[in-house]
Amino acid sequence: QVQLQESGPGPVKPSETLSLTCTVSGGSISGYYWSWIRQSPGKGLEWIGYIYDSKTYDGKTTGYNPSLKRRVTISIDTSKSQFSLKVRSMTAADTAVYYCARGTGRGGPNWFDPWGQGSLVTVSS
Amino acid sequence: QSVLTQPPSVSGAPGQRVTISCTGSTSNIGAGYDVHWYQHLPGTAPKLLIYGNRNRPSGVPDRFSGSKSGTSASLAITGLQSEDEADYYCQSYDSSLSGVVFGGGTKLTVL
Repeated sequence: QVQLQESGPGPVKPSETLSLTCTVSGGSISGYYWSWIRQSPGKGLEWIGYIYDSKTYDGKTTGYNPSLKRRVTISIDTSKSQFSLKVRSMTAADTAVYYCARGTGRGGPNWFDPWGQGSLVTVSS
Repeated sequence: QSVLTQPPSVSGAPGQRVTISCTGSTSNIGAGYDVHWYQHLPGTAPKLLIYGNRNRPSGVPDRFSGSKSGTSASLAITGLQSEDEADYYCQSYDSSLSGVVFGGGTKLTVL
């Protein structure tokens, strides 16, 4: 059974860069849309982006929420079964629980299953 | 303001049936993109309940069902149980936004 676990810094200062890592266990990292999704306090879920590592060709594809694209980078280390999120120029509005999830689909993530437990990131000076 | 609109809350007594609506537009649900549903208890990982409009993953009780018509989708829960009390989110894809979109979430209270 595939399991995902986020790891991250906890509090982040304004203007700093957030770095989070998601470790995948119990399954292959190839052929899925590994995604980040967040939930700000009292609000709904917001998709951040994904990275796709192909089983059949040597290449990686990314897709980002247009509203976050300028500040976000998602990368993957298949040797460690990990993928990572960087969000630059953090502000209080980026305070949220950040989830990693496995996306299944064709041409992009369709649905997400499973999800990690979430990592609370608080932006505060 | 979420792209997909859900009622903020619904409630029902144990054993009853409730439905949660998810209203979109011609650039997402109405364009033919699939709708998926998640159950989320605070402090836990969201759980996939329905994928591809009406399919249940292994282990999800058949009390949960999904449907889609036009620019809307619905999640129905029959035989309400206290453990169904949670937040429920719909999700799809929006071609205008070129990305995944979620509903604002619906809090289900079992009376």
